[in-house]
Amino acid sequence: DTEVTQTPKHLVMGMTNKKSLKCEQHMGHRAMYWYKQKAKKPPELMFVYSYEKLSINESVPSRFSPECPNSSLLNLHLHALQPEDSALYLCASSQDTGQGGTEAFFGQGTRLTVV
Amino acid sequence: QKEVEQDPGPLSVPEGAIVSLNCTYSNSAFQYFMWYRQYSRKGPELLMYTYSSGNKEDGRFTAQVDKSSKYISLFIRDSQPSDSATYLCAMEGTSGSRLTFGEGTQLTVNP
Repeated sequence: DTEVTQTPKHLVMGMTNKKSLKCEQHMGHRAMYWYKQKAKKPPELMFVYSYEKLSINESVPSRFSPECPNSSLLNLHLHALQPEDSALYLCASSQDTGQGGTEAFFGQGTRLTVV
Repeated sequence: QKEVEQDPGPLSVPEGAIVSLNCTYSNSAFQYFMWYRQYSRKGPELLMYTYSSGNKEDGRFTAQVDKSSKYISLFIRDSQPSDSATYLCAMEGTSGSRLTFGEGTQLTVNP
């Protein structure tokens, strides 16, 4: 099973709302990632968790708050977003981040629209 | 200059054609090379994964890496309409953690 499951698939939220994106994998992977993808652009890395600890934050605004409750789950908490934050948010996981070349598997994404 | 260059296309071919997709890169530290396929409004799907130079074949797909030229390719034989998607190359060094993506090539295979 190489599946990464993301919920919800679609989300529309107002600029004053608080919402959360969820990601789950059961492959025993110890690294999990959040990416943001705008139309016709490649995914952009936002956060990396390695062994449930935040290891990389790519200077993401604080209105995005990641959380890794356990090795299978990854959340992204959203608050006071702007319309320009509308994008496809992708979760990915891989075996490890200790060495290069670990195959990363992506979920189907949450399409977020901020109104 | 971007670390990874990929022609965004669009590329349109007839069904049954051989498709060649390419990326060039500038960072000599890249050791691991991947190709992802992304259908519209879906997440990227890992297609091919190769380490260092050489060829790897999987069904109708062949990935080639030429580290001396800093050039990677994905060939699709007997292309099908279901191959219509955006193809993203991605690469990584030995330190891990960050995939560097190309811009993606949009491919359409016409029946």
